Amino acid sequence: AQSVTQPDIHITVSEGASLELRCNYSYGATPYLFWYVQSPGQGLQLLLKYFSGDTLVQGIKGFEAEFKRSQSSFNLRKPSVHWSDAAEYFCAVVPQTGANNLFFGTGTRLTVIP
Amino acid sequence: KAGVTQTPRYLIKTRGQQVTLSCSPISGHRSVSWYQQTPGQGLQFLFEYFSETQRNKGNFPGRFSGRQFSNSRSEMNVSTLELGDSALYLCASSLVLADNEQFFGPGTRLTVL
Repeated sequence: AQSVTQPDIHITVSEGASLELRCNYSYGATPYLFWYVQSPGQGLQLLLKYFSGDTLVQGIKGFEAEFKRSQSSFNLRKPSVHWSDAAEYFCAVVPQTGANNLFFGTGTRLTVIP
Repeated sequence: KAGVTQTPRYLIKTRGQQVTLSCSPISGHRSVSWYQQTPGQGLQFLFEYFSETQRNKGNFPGRFSGRQFSNSRSEMNVSTLELGDSALYLCASSLVLADNEQFFGPGTRLTVL
């Protein structure tokens, strides 16, 4: 079955520590891949996206993600977390079927300890 | 450039009523998609409109409907509200069909009592 999996429901890190949020997908062909962030009471903001080409993608707010075809993964990383990064993070895909709808993972809530 | 706007931001209704939510996309964006976000089901795709036509529909009952106007503004309607319809409804717009980057509005928080 087609799916997007974020295995970590909640992650707690100390400010200044590094961060990696995991995302795996299960689709026949490599879909378009996205990471969104949602702060409490807010909509979703796009952090970065992967369509093709270089497998290491740079995004906003110092985030990056690496696409690994062999592992069907698109993990999000940040070398040094700031307290303002506390939010919920969603991995999402658009299957390359011509449709324009996003399929989301269940999200990972990030808590940052001062 | 103004972002995606959604009105109202908060709404309280009772079971059996109907509700209409509105979304104004970013200027020049012609595709509008709607998503439902609940704690139990997460983020789920409702439908997408492009050039006043519904192009895709998610797995929701017929009580959920939508439309798009010639200026790309979109509305979604939920009839015969149920408690389970309580959710954050998010609207997203994108520029052209080939551009899958979607920009989200702040959402409408619907509470059904």
